[in-house]
Amino acid sequence: DGGITQSPKYLFRKEGQNVTLSCEQNLNHDAMYWYRQDPGQGLRLIYYSQIVNDFQKGDIAEGYSVSREKKESFPLTVTSAQKNPTAFYLCASSPLTLFWTDTQYFGPGTRLTVL
Amino acid sequence: AQSVTQPDIHITVSEGASLELRCNYSYGATPYLFWYVQSPGQGLQLLLKYFSGDTLVQGIKGFEAEFKRSQSSFNLRKPSVHWSDAAEYFCAVGEGNSGNTPLVFGKGTRLSVIA
Repeated sequence: DGGITQSPKYLFRKEGQNVTLSCEQNLNHDAMYWYRQDPGQGLRLIYYSQIVNDFQKGDIAEGYSVSREKKESFPLTVTSAQKNPTAFYLCASSPLTLFWTDTQYFGPGTRLTVL
Repeated sequence: AQSVTQPDIHITVSEGASLELRCNYSYGATPYLFWYVQSPGQGLQLLLKYFSGDTLVQGIKGFEAEFKRSQSSFNLRKPSVHWSDAAEYFCAVGEGNSGNTPLVFGKGTRLSVIA
């Protein structure tokens, strides 16, 4: 089955700890994205990557870091600098296109709760 | 920069009634438009998309949407709503002249279905 997996589905961490959220895709997509979702806020872009070993900040990158060492993997680290990390995190991927924005496909999400 | 407005935060319809969810976008060139659906605690699933051609597009689950350039709108419709359609719906816009830039999402409309 082709798709995007995010693990774990639920994650609990103590305040002040860094935590890494996993995102893997086997769709052979070049681009990958991380979004944060809070009630009533819609989806807010954290980071995205269009190619291996390269990534760009989104609208709310502060307190987060990413890496893209492999095409199929785009882990997100929520650092202790993120002031309000409790949220639902969604990973997405899309095919490589030169001249338009193609469809983004989403994983099932990880709900992070910081105690 | 492009933007998306979904004017209705929450809509309640009776099962069997028709549905229209509104989406307005702001983008100078030809937009690429998407509707996604999200069940509670899940990722987003693509319902339909408009890239070019016929302005009335058909999607999954009996949904359709119409692109109206003069009104900068891409409203989602369904002739008869089922209880299983209760979910959150997101409209998104992408650029038509550069590749792999992230979609911009509206804040969503939550649909409740009553018997």
